[in-house]
Parts: sequence; structure tokens; C-alpha cells
Amino acid sequence: KNQVEQSPQSLIILEGKNCTLQCNYTVSPFSNLRWYKQDTGRGPVSLTIMTFSENTKSNGRYTATLDADTKQSSLHITASQLSDSASYICVVSSTSGGSYIPTFGRGTSLIVHP
Amino acid sequence: KAGVTQTPRYLIKTRGQQVTLSCSPISGHRSVSWYQQTPGQGLQFLFEYFSETQRNKGNFPGRFSGRQFSNSRSEMNVSTLELGDSALYLCASRVGSGGHNRDTQYFGPGTRLTVL
Repeated sequence: KNQVEQSPQSLIILEGKNCTLQCNYTVSPFSNLRWYKQDTGRGPVSLTIMTFSENTKSNGRYTATLDADTKQSSLHITASQLSDSASYICVVSSTSGGSYIPTFGRGTSLIVHP
Repeated sequence: KAGVTQTPRYLIKTRGQQVTLSCSPISGHRSVSWYQQTPGQGLQFLFEYFSETQRNKGNFPGRFSGRQFSNSRSEMNVSTLELGDSALYLCASRVGSGGHNRDTQYFGPGTRLTVL
């Protein structure tokens, strides 16, 4: 069964600090991995997408890494801001026989304090 | 460019009823996907439509169905509502479709469905 596990479940940091969120997956066959940010009461917003051959992808202060061998990904947030307070969701898609299924992690809830 | 819009934003129904949710994608986007989000299960994929055809389907019962029109607008229908169907229903659009597709997916604000 395809699974995506995210850690930590929640995280509290001070404004200006860096943090790293983890995503481990057992999805096969692997197609791509996406990170989303979801503010409370709103739909998710795409941050990055990586395929098998990509190790790193940046989007401003957000940097995602992918290790396809160990099936792990991380999302690093640099110089956090209050607006970074949100849920961060890792999604891994598998493709088989022309169809695909995205499997979602439960998300990491990040709170940035002033 | 206008974003993905969903109507209605909030809906209250009773068990056994049916409901239809609507999604208007970003102009030029031909793929629309639907998701269910609950506190217990998180986000789960329902189905994806592209050019009026269902391309992919998640693991949901047949009570959940959808369709897409020629203008790419999509509707999702849930029949014989159950209490467990209470959730935030999100739709998302992108230019292309498929698992290898790398197009950015844009989500709407969601429809909050409460089943009493």
C-alpha cells in the first residue's frame, strides 16, 4: 500500500529561524513529489515539484530535496516569516498502466512566533 | 487571471440527500481534479477529468461521481449522503493531466459540506 509519512506533526519556531520538514514515502512506481502550503481555510498552494532525477528544487525561501534511493524528501524554510505559519503537505504520485494516484501525507503544521 | 472558483462555499445537507458541487478552472486549463479533505483522513484524491473524460479515479465508492463540460467546468455529485461525507471538497486545475505531468496545479478555496 502506498504511504506518505510526514514529520514532525507540528512545529513551533521563532520568526527568522530556519526549519526542515520531512517526508518519507513508500510509493511505487514513483512519478513525482510535490510540496504544498495550505493556510487555514484555504486551498493548498504549490511550492515545488520534483521528478526522480531531481535532487533539489527551490522556490524563494523554500528548498525541497529528494533522495529517491532512500525515498525521503525534505522541505527547508529559510529565515521564517509569520506568513509561513501554515500546514505543509507532501504529495507523491505513482503511475501505473496509464493512470496515476497521488498519495498525500497528513501534513506538518508550522507555527511561526514573533 | 481569475483563479479556480468553487460554488457553493458552504453547504448543509441531511443524510440520504444528494449534493452537486461546481468548479470553474482557470482559463486555458483543461484538467480538473477533485479531492476530499477531512481531519481524520487528510487529503484524498477523488478523480481527475481532462477534456470531458475521467482520466483517473481514487478509491471512493460509486456514490461519488463527476463530470466535465466542454468549457472545462466540472461538477461533482455525491448521492445518498452519509455523515462521514462531511468534509472540505477541493478542486484543482492545471493545463495538462496525468502522473508524469509537471504542470502546476492550482486549488480552489473549497466547498465545506456538512451532513447532518
